[in-house]
Amino acid sequence: TQLLEQSPQFLSIQEGENLTVYCNSSSVFSSLQWYRQEPGEGPVLLVTVVTGGEVKKLKRLTFQFGDARKDSSLHITAAQPGDTGLYLCAGNAGGTSYGKLTFGQGTILTVHP
Amino acid sequence: DTGVSQDPRHKITKRGQNVTFRCDPISEHNRLYWYRQTLGQGPEFLTYFQNEAQLEKSRLLSDRFSAERPKGSFSTLEIQRTEQGDSAMYLCASSLGAYNEQFFGPGTRLTVL
Repeated sequence: TQLLEQSPQFLSIQEGENLTVYCNSSSVFSSLQWYRQEPGEGPVLLVTVVTGGEVKKLKRLTFQFGDARKDSSLHITAAQPGDTGLYLCAGNAGGTSYGKLTFGQGTILTVHP
Repeated sequence: DTGVSQDPRHKITKRGQNVTFRCDPISEHNRLYWYRQTLGQGPEFLTYFQNEAQLEKSRLLSDRFSAERPKGSFSTLEIQRTEQGDSAMYLCASSLGAYNEQFFGPGTRLTVL
């Protein structure tokens, strides 16, 4: 069974601070996706990383895929209240589990004005 | 470009009743997924369709659960003889690309009394 562990589970910061969310596994993933979810809504795809060592930037968000494709991180620079939400990482093992995403338990981020 | 839609958004039922949820994927997407999410957790995979073929089912999907995608377009998820433990958000997602980027609908919130 593949597991993705996210940390921290909760993050409460002031506007303007930086933060990093980690997503770790003992398994290799063919791709990894990050989502953001608002209460009562479905997850919204932020980014997909597929190559070990890959770094992708989306405005103030920087995503990194580990060299061994077992871990990933999300870094937010100068957080804003609009960044508040649940951040989820999800891995696709590929192969016979091609269709299935394994999700971490999520990080609840609160950015205070 | 319309996204994934789900109906109903909310369903309240009594224990023992049957419920059916519908998912309409993004029109050109051939893959469709169902997930279940409980409070404070990431989504858990339930089942996966490629076109009309159901290719993978989680062990979470007991005999009371059945899913169909009869024409390879919309899908339905039926839960028979609902139990209080079935209360959760049921999410549908669809994808097309090689890296299995999944786009989620808004979910159906099920409450079993």
